[in-house]
Amino acid sequence: NAGVTQTPKFRVLKTGQSMTLLCAQDMNHEYMYWYRQDPGMGLRLIHYSVGEGTTAKGEVPDGYNVSRLKKQNFLLGLESAAPSQTSVYFCASSRDRGFAEAFFGQGTRLTVV
Amino acid sequence: AQSVTQLDSQVPVFEEAPVELRCNYSSSVSVYLFWYVQYPNQGLQLLLKYLSGSTLVESINGFEAEFNKSQTSFHLRKPSVHISDTAEYFCAAFRQGGSEKLVFGKGTKLTVNP
Repeated sequence: NAGVTQTPKFRVLKTGQSMTLLCAQDMNHEYMYWYRQDPGMGLRLIHYSVGEGTTAKGEVPDGYNVSRLKKQNFLLGLESAAPSQTSVYFCASSRDRGFAEAFFGQGTRLTVV
Repeated sequence: AQSVTQLDSQVPVFEEAPVELRCNYSSSVSVYLFWYVQYPNQGLQLLLKYLSGSTLVESINGFEAEFNKSQTSFHLRKPSVHISDTAEYFCAAFRQGGSEKLVFGKGTKLTVNP
């Protein structure tokens, strides 16, 4: 029962480097989300997807891109990392749009130096 | 746009004391409401949720929250806390008929002292 799995769990990047965070879910959920968590800010939505092949911008999309080529995977990309993107990133998936049955991954702690 | 306000950023209490973590939401239309808990260096776990029906919802570990439409509140309560309840708690709201977003409050750090 894997649920939502995020890889990697930790990463340190230099400013300007690129990377991709992978979120995988095995529950056949349609809806997937990427959030970032910063101290005192709660969780803020970066991008989301309502189904395979679809993506949409959330609250703080600048500097990130996403892709949902397969239903079970939702990738978050940073093309040119900046120190302001130092954060903990959480992926979530949901059976429906109302988050009534939603699950979060364990998070990816990213530091950009 | 939907917003969620958690009125206290930190709440220190002694073990076995009662606690209330306050949450207010902005939308006047139908909402789903959630409380999530985050233990140190872990992900988010759903604590309880209100979708419809009874306004009082309970978790398996003794927490409860009451949906109050007139006061647009969803406060989290526990009559007697344990050291193991030390964690950060997030209130979240999903507005039906709106965008696809689950909006979070900024979190309340609950510290239970012996």
